[in-house]
Formats: sequence, structure tokens, C-alpha cells
Amino acid sequence: NAGVTQTPKFRVLKTGQSMTLLCAQDMNHEYMYWYRQDPGMGLRLIHYSVGEGTTAKGEVPDGYNVSRLKKQNFLLGLESAAPSQTSVYFCASSPPRQGISSGANVLTFGAGSRLTVL
Amino acid sequence: AQTVTQSQPEMSVQEAETVTLSCTYDTSESDYYLFWYKQPPSRQMILVIRQEAYKQQNATENRFSVNFQKAAKSFSLKISDSQLGDAAMYFCAYRSRFGNEKLTFGTGTRLTIIP
Repeated sequence: NAGVTQTPKFRVLKTGQSMTLLCAQDMNHEYMYWYRQDPGMGLRLIHYSVGEGTTAKGEVPDGYNVSRLKKQNFLLGLESAAPSQTSVYFCASSPPRQGISSGANVLTFGAGSRLTVL
Repeated sequence: AQTVTQSQPEMSVQEAETVTLSCTYDTSESDYYLFWYKQPPSRQMILVIRQEAYKQQNATENRFSVNFQKAAKSFSLKISDSQLGDAAMYFCAYRSRFGNEKLTFGTGTRLTIIP
């Protein structure tokens, strides 16, 4: 059982280049998330999805786009990379809502993807 | 919007001693969940413990326990008998019980274990 898999794990980009981070989960989770982690700022939510075909903005969505065409995949795209997007990106997923205690459902995280924009 | 504050960027503790990491949060909701995540140098985010706000009893997982003070909006993590493997970044996080699916994190506390 692989859990949450992120590819690639490392990438170096030049300013203005585009790229896509792929997140795949094999746990049949409804909810998926993209976070970025920067020193001293914790994890901040970029975009999230509560089901196939749906996406929503998080705390820091500017400069990113996402798609959830398949339930198991959540893609994060950078159309024109900027140095401010140098960060470690984490994907996470969570089980489907099941009754009133679903908020306790734990997020399962991928191993992270380190992106450097020069 | 909910906010989570961890006021201790760094903490250190002698091996086998006890350490407490602080977390406060701000919310207007009455039902929610609180979590502590551990991030070792491997970068993997690992759930340490979770607390349901409607439960008065503090959660415990082996050497890890919390002190949940709902009125004060405080959620501290106590690590007993600290071990070298406990060295990591620790993040406090908040999640609404209904509607809002997001997990909001604090800025983290880096814990160093002194042999």
C-alpha cells in the first residue's frame, strides 16, 4: 500500500518555466490537498479538492493551478515559475466524510517535493 | 478564520526528561479537532496525537499526552522520557468538525534532544 506518492521529489526550474507536480493516492480518499512549507511559516494550504472534478482555493493560491480529473490524482501546476515559489510542496489526502466525526479523519501526507526556482 | 500559534520556534530537552510544547489557537467554533504532527529530518509528516474538542479527557498516546484547555484555547504537547528519535519539528494543527475541510497549521517548534 503506497499511500500518497508525489512526483518528482526534487526539481530545479528557471524563472518563467512551467511544471506540474503529481500527487497520487491509493486509499480511495475523497479529499486531497496541496500545501507548501517555508521556513518559519509552517504549512500553508494552496488548493484543495473535496472530490473528483472539484477544486477550491486555499490560503496561498496565487500562481498555482490544480486539477482533479481522477479521484486518485491531484495535480499542482505552476504556469510561470517565480523565485518566491521556491519551497517544499506536500500533498495530502483524507478519507471521505463519514458522519459527524469525519473532522477527526487524519490527513495522510506524501514525502514532499522540493522545488527550487532560479 | 482560524489561526494556530506556536510561540516556541525551538526547544531542547535532555534525553529521558520531559518537555512541553505550547500551542494556542483562535476560533469562534465550538466543535473542532486538534492535532500534533511530527516532521523528522526525513520530511515525512507523522501524526502524533489528536484531540476532539467535545471530549474533556486529554488524549494520550504512549509517551505523548496533551493538555487541552478549551476555554483558554490552549493545546500543549507533553513528551515524557524523551528519546533521540523524538528530535523533529512539531506542528500543531486545527480542523473544523463540520463544513470546513481544511487543516490549519502553526509555524512549528523544532525539538532537539540532548544526549
